Amino acid sequence: GAGVSQTPSNKVTEKGKYVELRCDPISGHTALYWYRQSLGQGPEFLIYFQGTGAADDSGLPNDRFFAVRPEGSVSTLKIQRTERGDSAVYLCASSSRLAGAIGTGELFFGEGSRLTVL
Amino acid sequence: QKEVEQNSGPLSVPEGAIASLNCTYSDRGSQSFFWYRQYSGKSPELIMSIYSNGDKEDGRFTAQLNKASQYVSLLIRDSQPSDSATYLCAVRGGGNEKLTFGTGTRLTIIP
Repeated sequence: GAGVSQTPSNKVTEKGKYVELRCDPISGHTALYWYRQSLGQGPEFLIYFQGTGAADDSGLPNDRFFAVRPEGSVSTLKIQRTERGDSAVYLCASSSRLAGAIGTGELFFGEGSRLTVL
Repeated sequence: QKEVEQNSGPLSVPEGAIASLNCTYSDRGSQSFFWYRQYSGKSPELIMSIYSNGDKEDGRFTAQLNKASQYVSLLIRDSQPSDSATYLCAVRGGGNEKLTFGTGTRLTIIP
């Protein structure tokens, strides 16, 4: 597609429920990132994929959070047993960057999925 | 110490003046540096990238990098009301692929 697409744009759920957020990156981009942004803060890194594998998941806050990218394109961020503190905008970004390359690596962001946990 | 630090502002600059935004980072091995602009309720969009010491100019924007001082800045010349936004500094550290963002500086251009 022309840009990074994220669905849903808004999700309201109740505490304890399961949520899936979807990201469709720019066609041909091998690198995909998930970030979380709370009001007044910068984006906080969650996980990075290069192809199908999660190359860096050091930002996932706990084991309730999981992300997959089974075919190296679309990715799904999964949140189990949601808590009110999970409320934030979840941003997905993609890049044509190859790991280790110097002088490249611009991230292109989607419009985000706003998650509200009541 | 935060990995990437920015003054949260708000920074108010008269229309037509130069806006100066600053960022410091902690990882001396960092290789890549980016400035993103984020309008309220929107996603970040890339303004500038810089990879080596010195200045890089693109239109009204100039990015400056000083690796010895671990300092990155963004200058916006001839500031316009449409430049009013939050500006995010982002750094890719040495040895990893993730981009670490600062908290952003909120800039307001006063007509």
